[in-house]
Amino acid sequence: ETGVTQSPTHLIKTRGQQVTLRCSSQSGHNTVSWYQQALGQGPQFIFQYYREEENGRGNFPPRFSGLQFPNYSSELNVNALELDDSALYLCASSVKTSGSYNEQFFGPGTRLTVL
Amino acid sequence: GEDVEQSLFLSVREGDSSVINCTYTDSSSTYLYWYKQEPGAGLQLLTYIFSNMDMKQDQRLTVLLNKKDKHLSLRIADTQTGDSAIYFCAETKPGGSYIPTFGRGTSLIVHP
Repeated sequence: ETGVTQSPTHLIKTRGQQVTLRCSSQSGHNTVSWYQQALGQGPQFIFQYYREEENGRGNFPPRFSGLQFPNYSSELNVNALELDDSALYLCASSVKTSGSYNEQFFGPGTRLTVL
Repeated sequence: GEDVEQSLFLSVREGDSSVINCTYTDSSSTYLYWYKQEPGAGLQLLTYIFSNMDMKQDQRLTVLLNKKDKHLSLRIADTQTGDSAIYFCAETKPGGSYIPTFGRGTSLIVHP
């Protein structure tokens, strides 16, 4: 059974550019959550996708958008990059069942640097 | 202030016990968690405790929850160099989505 994978591992962009980060969820998982982890901080929730629809969003502007595909893999898109977007972006997958705790399994992250 | 607060650093000697502390603000928190992050890796869930419990033990790990003081601690017995990592405390609130809110993390350094 493969765990959560993310690509690319590292990425350098310049201000104003757009970026797409990818995540393959763990086999059998139907929910993907994305987090931004700035240096020295804990992860901050960006949004969650369940069965291809956004299922919750944190305090991030609309230039952060996402997609989930029928195979439950996911993309995070960030438009008009700003210097403060430099961070480790973590993807986590889980199985959503109503009313009970669902452990999230994290990928290794994509390190984005904006110059 | 922050929803979840932790001290930033802890240094211990190999073989000693480590105690990492966390305070949270929301008394309605449902679950409280401890995650471990090693360099270059994602987060690994170590353990979690439901808010109606006050203690949970899992091998070398002991979690203590004081709901009155909104204080959570993680004790690692017989700390090893492989335990060196950043430890994050997190909470989830009622509502069904179980999205954790993380603290800033405590960097645990284990020296021989």
